[in-house]
Amino acid sequence: DVVMTQSPLSLPVTPGEPASISCRSSQSLLYSNGYNYLDWYLQKPGQSPQLLIYLASSRASGVPDRFSGNGSGTDFTLNISRVEAEDVGVYYCMQGLQIPHTFGQGTKLEIK
Amino acid sequence: QVQLQQSGPGLVKPSQTLSLTCAISGDSVSTDSASWNWIRQSPSRGLEWLGRTLYRSEWSNDYAVSVRSRMTISADTSKNQFSLQLNSLTPDDTAVYFCARFRSGAFDFWGQGTLVTVSS
Repeated sequence: DVVMTQSPLSLPVTPGEPASISCRSSQSLLYSNGYNYLDWYLQKPGQSPQLLIYLASSRASGVPDRFSGNGSGTDFTLNISRVEAEDVGVYYCMQGLQIPHTFGQGTKLEIK
Repeated sequence: QVQLQQSGPGLVKPSQTLSLTCAISGDSVSTDSASWNWIRQSPSRGLEWLGRTLYRSEWSNDYAVSVRSRMTISADTSKNQFSLQLNSLTPDDTAVYFCARFRSGAFDFWGQGTLVTVSS
């Protein structure tokens, strides 16, 4: 199985400041079609996870443009340009390349 | 807009069978451009993909190794829904269970989640 490793696991951020979360996979997520099968999800307290970024860098419908994703192969990053109070929750990366689909441990973003 | 509505019990006794259903609106369970999945979340295991059903001229299922011998996923085209059955439950199966659609490399729509507690 592909192991997904996130860092940091806890991320206190001042509103208006940027934030960045790293995700590393144990195998390359680059497929022959040129896409990296890496997604980012946000799980707000008491809710189901919601898709933020798919195929490493494509924003899902309705996701604010302060969220962006980049990376290729085994190293990926989720960036938030200016954190807002509504961004609190746990962020997960996930590989969609092969089954079993596997998730990172999660990064808890909190507001300072 | 796709919506997934889960139903099923929240409390199940050890050794019994869990049955959960995910009703789909806004898409078809027999679409050839998505798969229909079950995922669970617990403090000890985190988010764990359990299995999927998909239709590509015929139905096929895939399961995680950890539950393969105990799990069955099935689709009901007449009701446009899919279901999970997990038997021989133990307290270790206590978790929040989610259904989700997988399309274009991601889980783009999720059910509301069902907290399942395995206890006598």
